[in-house]
Amino acid sequence: QKEVEQNSGPLSVPEGAIASLNCTYSDRVSQSFFWYRQYSGKSPELIMSIYSNGDKEDGRFTAQLNKASQYVSLLIRDSQPSDSATYLCAVEYGNKLVFGAGTILRVKS
Amino acid sequence: DVKVTQSSRYLVKRTGEKVFLECVQDMDHENMFWYRQDPGLGLRLIYFSYDVKMKEKGDIPEGYSVSREKKERFSLILESASTNQTSMYLCASSPSGTNYGYTFGSGTRLTVV
Repeated sequence: QKEVEQNSGPLSVPEGAIASLNCTYSDRVSQSFFWYRQYSGKSPELIMSIYSNGDKEDGRFTAQLNKASQYVSLLIRDSQPSDSATYLCAVEYGNKLVFGAGTILRVKS
Repeated sequence: DVKVTQSSRYLVKRTGEKVFLECVQDMDHENMFWYRQDPGLGLRLIYFSYDVKMKEKGDIPEGYSVSREKKERFSLILESASTNQTSMYLCASSPSGTNYGYTFGSGTRLTVV
């Protein structure tokens, strides 16, 4: 069984702080990794993808990948109350994505 | 933008009914997927399809079937609805390959009473 593990949270950060969300996965052969944001009552929305070791930045978001440690993270700089949502990590396994259960992020103003 | 449309936002069905959930995408994507999402369990794959008339079981196919007669449409069928199938159902699509992620529909919240 392919597994993707996330801390369920909630992770609470003050407005303007950096939020750090983490994800580990079980299969070393995975090549594609994704972060989705899901607001309450809505469907998941793709916000970041990463395929190579290192960092990938897009605006206030940075995805980090360490394949040797089987670890993916998402940093959100200058967190805003509108970032409050559940963040899902997704890992590619054989042409399918397996999702973690998600981390709830709460940004307090 | 890719649009994935699920026909119903909310559905209430009775135990034993046959239920059809419809999903249509408008960007000529080869891959289509059905997930259910439950609190604490995350997204679980029910069925997926890489091409017309092709289907493969996901992790939890029991009690479900699917149909893909046209490339843009992927239907999920609950043969005899049960209360443990009360859930949020999410359809997704993607181009072939694994580097694109999925685009999700808005979801159907199904309640079986």
